[in-house]
Amino acid sequence: KAGVTQTPRYLIKTRGQQVTLSCSPISGHRSVSWYQQTPGQGLQFLFEYFSETQRNKGNFPGRFSGRQFSNSRSEMNVSTLELGDSALYLCASSLEGGPGELFFGEGSRLTVL
Amino acid sequence: GDSVTQMEGPVTLSEEAFLTINCTYTATGYPSLFWYVQYPGEGLQLLLKATKADDKGSNKGFEATYRKETTSFHLEKGSVQVSDSAVYFCALYSGGYQKVTFGTGTKLQVIP
Repeated sequence: KAGVTQTPRYLIKTRGQQVTLSCSPISGHRSVSWYQQTPGQGLQFLFEYFSETQRNKGNFPGRFSGRQFSNSRSEMNVSTLELGDSALYLCASSLEGGPGELFFGEGSRLTVL
Repeated sequence: GDSVTQMEGPVTLSEEAFLTINCTYTATGYPSLFWYVQYPGEGLQLLLKATKADDKGSNKGFEATYRKETTSFHLEKGSVQVSDSAVYFCALYSGGYQKVTFGTGTKLQVIP
């Protein structure tokens, strides 16, 4: 059974640009959540999607957005990039009924110059 | 709000040593508690979980007991191996559509 797949794995952007990250969940998982991991702040919850609906959102500015498609694949977008957005962005999928049991991808490492 | 506090690392142990990584939490209600592990270059993996007070989660020789009276969920292993070298995250879930609150992580290095 394939795991959670995130693309791209690494990317470099400059301030002011925007970026789109993609996540394909484990087959059958309909919940997809996103986390930002940085050395200073650790893991912080961005948002969660289920059946194309955002059900929860963390404390991030509106520059951070996401969506989920009918096949459960998800994308997140960060506009007007800032240096502080440099981080590892982790996607996790889960089964409904398994609260807190997250299956993570390897992450997309974003560097903003 | 919810929070998780875990011991600062890095923790360096010799192979076959006993491991304890302390974790305490603050949460409303009765959260589920987890330990996740992150190996170098990889995403996080669920190591073990406990969903109610006095539950003991266990996996791969690791154990943790949900202590409501001390709001703790300490991770233990009797004999660590070099392959256990990783970053360990204590986490809790108290509701809110997979919004999991993580500790800052504890890096474990096991030397032969």
